[in-house]
Amino acid sequence: DAKTTQPNSMESNEEEPVHLPCNHSTISGTDYIHWYRQLPSQGPEYVIHGLTSNVNNRMASLAIAEDRKSSTLILHRATLRDAAVYYCIPMYSGGGADGLTFGKGTHLIIQP
Amino acid sequence: DVKVTQSSRYLVKRTGEKVFLECVQDMDHENMFWYRQDPGLGLRLIYFSYDVKMKEKGDIPEGYSVSREKKERFSLILESASTNQTSMYLCASSALAGGPSGELFFGEGSRLTVL
Repeated sequence: DAKTTQPNSMESNEEEPVHLPCNHSTISGTDYIHWYRQLPSQGPEYVIHGLTSNVNNRMASLAIAEDRKSSTLILHRATLRDAAVYYCIPMYSGGGADGLTFGKGTHLIIQP
Repeated sequence: DVKVTQSSRYLVKRTGEKVFLECVQDMDHENMFWYRQDPGLGLRLIYFSYDVKMKEKGDIPEGYSVSREKKERFSLILESASTNQTSMYLCASSALAGGPSGELFFGEGSRLTVL
């Protein structure tokens, strides 16, 4: 069973905000929600993570639903360099390999 | 900056050959992981290790083995390569799996072609 559900692809225009959704309805109370992205021909890189509260960093914002069954990664002003595959992954805070397999992610296309 | 280095970006091997994929991290991380990535399938965990000489199977360990003799080095071994093991292999490390410090750091990947 897939632990997360993400759209296969999304398209946006440069310099516009992008909202990437993720459903993780089976998330447990101790799972952190991590987001990674993978640029072409590179390994994935960490973007942001959170538990319950919304989070901001220099790359993006993470909005977590009150019931924690979904989250949204927000890129405030997309650039062409943000074109990548974005993965959301619930990760167990106590360690272990649960949640360490990435799904197919969302392929984000940015139009100039 | 954390650096995860994979020994080869591109390899071409023949069916039946023994293949070693090497991964080294320079941040004294406890945990190391091997994934394979195939079109349409995302990243799938092959093996991981939480400590030296320790290993655990991931979701798709069949046909693979691993070795972790030193903390900084995690090797993926294909005892007898087959064409269905043609893939992109990604190594990752983390200070702690999951949780606030569970950020995974990935190498650039090794693209293996088995003929």
